[in-house]
Amino acid sequence: AQSVTQLGSHVSVSEGALVLLRCNYSSSVPPYLFWYVQYPNQGLQLLLKYTTGATLVKGINGFEAEFKKSETSFHLTKPSAHMSDAAEYFCAVSDSTGANNLFFGTGTRLTVIP
Amino acid sequence: ETGVTQTPRHLVMGMTNKKSLKCEQHLGHNAMYWYKQSAKKPLELMFVYNFKEQTENNSVPSRFSPECPNSSHLFLHLHTLQPEDSALYLCASSQSIGTGRGYTFGSGTRLTVV
Repeated sequence: AQSVTQLGSHVSVSEGALVLLRCNYSSSVPPYLFWYVQYPNQGLQLLLKYTTGATLVKGINGFEAEFKKSETSFHLTKPSAHMSDAAEYFCAVSDSTGANNLFFGTGTRLTVIP
Repeated sequence: ETGVTQTPRHLVMGMTNKKSLKCEQHLGHNAMYWYKQSAKKPLELMFVYNFKEQTENNSVPSRFSPECPNSSHLFLHLHTLQPEDSALYLCASSQSIGTGRGYTFGSGTRLTVV
């Protein structure tokens, strides 16, 4: 079975500062990992994903995440925050067997301070 | 436009009403999903359809009744709902279950039960 833990339900950063959103997962088989972003009154939009291959994956809007198997982590980072990055971010895990659906974390709300 | 369209965007209904939520995708996907998003809770998977067949009912109360007439359309029929059913209902689709490509989400229907 898979599960996801997102540490920190709220994160605030200053504009231009580093963004770091934490995600740890649990999976009994090699995972597929995803980050989604949700802007107010909208659905979830895929930011990036890891399935196989390179462990550092780059996504849209300058975000990237690194799969660290030894730490069971998939933290999301962006070097310099923009006001437009204010949103809710969800980490999700599936498995590589093709048998299971996506399991989501509880989300982290990112606030960007001018 | 994400490729998955949900209507209506907002719905207010009384506890004795009957209403339906509609989801439509023209991405050529074969799997469709209903999720419930409540404040401060993880996204709750409600139903999964794969090639029009229901493959998962995640212990959802019978006052929620899904229907998938074809791979492009998914409905959620609602009757005798409770105030705690108020939430954002998200529809998603994917190529098929467990492909690792992630899901495409609609913008959701904001449901308020009064």
